[in-house]
Amino acid sequence: EIVLTQSPGSLSLSPGERATLSCRASQSVSRYLAWYQQKPGQAPRLLIYGASSRTTGTPDRLSGSGSGTDFTLTITSVEPGDFAVYYCQQYAISPPTFGQGTKVDIK
Amino acid sequence: QVQLVQSGAEVKKPGASVNVSCKASGYNLIAYYIHWVRQAPGQGLEWIGWMNPNTGTTNYAQNFQDRVAMTRDPTINTAHLELSSLTFRDSALYFCARANWRGPADAWGQGTQLTVSS
Repeated sequence: EIVLTQSPGSLSLSPGERATLSCRASQSVSRYLAWYQQKPGQAPRLLIYGASSRTTGTPDRLSGSGSGTDFTLTITSVEPGDFAVYYCQQYAISPPTFGQGTKVDIK
Repeated sequence: QVQLVQSGAEVKKPGASVNVSCKASGYNLIAYYIHWVRQAPGQGLEWIGWMNPNTGTTNYAQNFQDRVAMTRDPTINTAHLELSSLTFRDSALYFCARANWRGPADAWGQGTQLTVSS
């Protein structure tokens, strides 16, 4: 199965700072890569699919990029509602797999 | 709007089975795949498997293959997850989610907490 490795494991930022989250796949997933946000006690919420397409409601300060094995989620200016855990998921090859998550918290 | 509403929390003894339901509203259950994902306390997301509610076809993760069953009742727009031979390690929050074939999960249930305790 494809292993997704996210880095860093956690990120401490002040509101207004830029966040760069990485997701690396053990083999190519083309652009079949999604990003989810999860807040405590809630289900994950789909933010980005197809590596770079935002879902309705995902603000444009969040953007996804990459293809193949290397992907990035960027938050240009972190807002209070962005403090959460972010997971990447590949859905190119079964079984679908998730990264272990990056926690973005308040510095 | 699209909603997936799951059944309530469960407490089971080791060796027992659990059945979790996931009722879809705002769309026809058979139009999308249903995935099941679990999350142990403080841990990440673990995929359990998917079901095509239109055909009943399933695909289970290897770790669960011999003790999981996913079924559906299209007449009430509901999918079910049954997990048997429970151990303490099965204590987790279980989510259902819908997705297109070879697509991301764009709607999730609220989660069902399973506690396995003697």
